Amino acid sequence: EIVLTQSPGTLSLSPGERATLSCRASQSVDTKDLAWYQQKHGQAPRLLIQGASSRATGIADRISGSGTGTDFTLTINRLEPQDSAVYYCQHYGSSPPMYTFGQGTKLEIK
Amino acid sequence: QVQLQESGPGLVKPSETLSLTCTVSGGSISNYYWTWIRQPAGKGLEWIGRIYSSGSSHWNPSFKNRVTMSVDTSKNQFSLKLSSVTAADTAVYYCARDPFRSSFDFWGQGTLVPVSS
Repeated sequence: EIVLTQSPGTLSLSPGERATLSCRASQSVDTKDLAWYQQKHGQAPRLLIQGASSRATGIADRISGSGTGTDFTLTINRLEPQDSAVYYCQHYGSSPPMYTFGQGTKLEIK
Repeated sequence: QVQLQESGPGLVKPSETLSLTCTVSGGSISNYYWTWIRQPAGKGLEWIGRIYSSGSSHWNPSFKNRVTMSVDTSKNQFSLKLSSVTAADTAVYYCARDPFRSSFDFWGQGTLVPVSS
């Protein structure tokens, strides 16, 4: 089973700055099977990035995903107060079908 | 716009079976994978299982055969049963759609299911 480790645990930044969130897989994964979500307090998660780098419908272009192999990154440029949330990476494995999530990174906008 | 809505009892007693239904509106349940995910208070996300519109299903082995899923295409609904629950099963339960067998594009709002006597 793939284990996803996210870092840092908490990130505190100011509006206008750039956030860089990391997701490391315990073994190499296919980029098509890596996604990122944003979860605001009291809400369901929202899909941001699928296939490691493709923005989901309606996601602003200041949000981007990158990476290959075991190291993946979510970058949020020009931070806004509404970016405060917990961000999760997620992997899909097909044999057998299994979805795993990282433990999350909390992003605080000061 | 596809919408998902979870429904079920507000409280389940230990050792009993938790039953939830997810109703899909704004689109067909056919030809997609549908998933259950849960989140204990203050913790991360855990995948429970998924079912295809044909009825084929898979679940997380960590649930040790406690999971049963079904789909009713005539009602555009799919369901989850989790047996022999304990307090550790207390969580917000989400249903979600997986359109590409990789990630989840539409989610329900989630329903809190406490397990308590």
